Amino acid sequence: EIVLTQSPATLSLSPGERATLSCRASQSVGRHLAWFQQKPGQAPRLLIYDASNRATGIPARFSGSGSGTDFTLTISSLEPEDFAVYYCHQRFDWPPVTFGQGTRLEIK
Amino acid sequence: EVQLVESGGGLVQPGGSLRLSCVASGFTFSDNYMDWVRQAPGKGLEWVGRIRNAPSSYITDYAASVKGRFTISRDDSKNSLYLEMNSLKTEDTAVYYCARVIETAIDHWGRGTLVTVSS
Repeated sequence: EIVLTQSPATLSLSPGERATLSCRASQSVGRHLAWFQQKPGQAPRLLIYDASNRATGIPARFSGSGSGTDFTLTISSLEPEDFAVYYCHQRFDWPPVTFGQGTRLEIK
Repeated sequence: EVQLVESGGGLVQPGGSLRLSCVASGFTFSDNYMDWVRQAPGKGLEWVGRIRNAPSSYITDYAASVKGRFTISRDDSKNSLYLEMNSLKTEDTAVYYCARVIETAIDHWGRGTLVTVSS
């Protein structure tokens, strides 16, 4: 089973700042990594797929990078609506399908 | 527009059973693999299982935590996905999401249905 470890667990930033979230895989997943955003009481929403491709309708301030075992989600300038929980997800090796434990992005 | 609508959640006693449904629209349901993913209150996402499509013989895969207790099925004629849950435990309490799979990755989620296992 591929374990995904996200860091930090919580990130406290202010609107307008840059956010950098990390996801590390226990073994290589190539570029087969996605990022989801989840707001309270809502379903997750796909932001990035295959490491760096923005999903339909996702603003350009969201970008993804990385390959192999180390991946990054960057939000270039935080908007108030970006404060949420972010999960990474790999599709390289399954079952089982795996998710990271999440990074909570909170307003400082 | 892709839509996934789950139903069937509720309160059930430990050891009981429940059947969840998910109706899909806005895409060709029969083409896709489909997943169930759950989220316990205040916790992260946990994959429950996957059902493949007809060309892949509707093969199912399950998380170790539910294998032997949960069964995923689908009815492509009704654009519907199901999750039969037996021998429920308190730790199965969660919001259960139906999710579409594209090229083995999840891309769309339903709004979820809450299952509470409690006496």
